Amino acid sequence: NAGVTQTPKFQVLKTGQSMTLQCAQDMNHEYMSWYRQDPGMGLRLIHYSVGAGITDQGEVPNGYNVSRSTTEDFPLRLLSAAPSQTSVYFCASSYRGTGGQLELFFGEGSRLTVL
Amino acid sequence: SQQGEEDPQALSIQEGENATMNCSYKTSINNLQWYRQNSGRGLVHLILIRSNEREKHSGRLRVTLDTSKKSSSLLITASRAADTASYFCATGAMDSSYKLIFGSGTRLLVRP
Repeated sequence: NAGVTQTPKFQVLKTGQSMTLQCAQDMNHEYMSWYRQDPGMGLRLIHYSVGAGITDQGEVPNGYNVSRSTTEDFPLRLLSAAPSQTSVYFCASSYRGTGGQLELFFGEGSRLTVL
Repeated sequence: SQQGEEDPQALSIQEGENATMNCSYKTSINNLQWYRQNSGRGLVHLILIRSNEREKHSGRLRVTLDTSKKSSSLLITASRAADTASYFCATGAMDSSYKLIFGSGTRLLVRP
């Protein structure tokens, strides 16, 4: 049972380059999200999706783009990488609980360094 | 801005002792959750408590919620070295339960 799979695990970019972090889940979850984790700041929500074709912004969306063409995949695009985007990125998915709440399943993270 | 703030930032205890960590938040919530993160790994969901609940248990975990004080606590009883990890609270807001907002975490070290 794969759960949430993120690729790549590590990436080094130069300022101005673009790239896509991949996220796939095999649990048929409608909800998917991207967080970034920086030292001492916990996790901050970048973008989320409540189903195929539907995306919305989180706390820190600037500089990132997402799309959701299938239930399984939710890629995160960095349009023009900046050193401030050096971070660990986590993808998470969830079913919708009986009370409407989310319970997130996380991938193992993608560590990105922008030089 | 962060919704939840954990206290303490770091905690070191001896194996067998109890560990208590606290979370405070700012706005009205639908639910509050606790997650664990082992070093270099993704987060794992531990327990969820709804806004109309005051206490919940799961194995060695006990969570309390005080909505009047906008605070929650996580108690781990009879701690083990394997409990060494970072622990995060996360809140689902009343007006947007699609946005689960995390605090900055408590780093727990359990010494053998």
